[in-house]
Amino acid sequence: DGGITQSPKYLFRKEGQNVTLSCEQNLNHDAMYWYRQDPGQGLRLIYYSQIVNDFQKGDIAEGYSVSREKKESFPLTVTSAQKNPTAFYLCASRGYMNTEAFFGQGTRLTVV
Amino acid sequence: GQQLNQSPQSMFIQEGEDVSMNCTSSSIFNTWLWYKQDPGEGPVLLIALYKAGELTSNGRLTAQFGITRKDSFLNISASIPSDVGIYFCAHLTTSGTYKYIFGTGTRLKVLA
Repeated sequence: DGGITQSPKYLFRKEGQNVTLSCEQNLNHDAMYWYRQDPGQGLRLIYYSQIVNDFQKGDIAEGYSVSREKKESFPLTVTSAQKNPTAFYLCASRGYMNTEAFFGQGTRLTVV
Repeated sequence: GQQLNQSPQSMFIQEGEDVSMNCTSSSIFNTWLWYKQDPGEGPVLLIALYKAGELTSNGRLTAQFGITRKDSFLNISASIPSDVGIYFCAHLTTSGTYKYIFGTGTRLKVLA
């Protein structure tokens, strides 16, 4: 069954700790995206990658880092430098020459 | 980052009523995407539009690509309680960077 999987669904971390959110897709998509969503808000772009071993900062990249070593994987690390990390994080992917993005089910990160 | 203007921001409707929402842009677009996000989940693609004037249906949902190419409309007929959620319009920019611009969202609540 093809799709995009984010794990875990819920994540709790202590303030000051780095945490890595997983995003895996088996759709053979080239492009992958990370978004942050705060309560009652829209989607804000953190990082995106058009191809393996390449990625670009989005609108709110400060305090986050990513890697794209494999086509199917695009993990997001929320570092201790991110001042307000508690949020709902969404990963998406898009096939080359396609317009539509497909989203994972999201990870809700709570930092205490 | 740039966002699309979506209205209404939220709406309460009675079960069985029809719903209309729209999305506007200051730029001309060649594609429009409509997504629905259930509470605590990732957005799911409802309808993709590729041509000005295009009218596309998906069950009780109908979306139209405005002829000015600066707007799009989504209609839901005979709403049911599971229509509750946030509806987003979106557009993939293709000039240099391939990023999505999202609407501000329409939050729909259906009263049984």
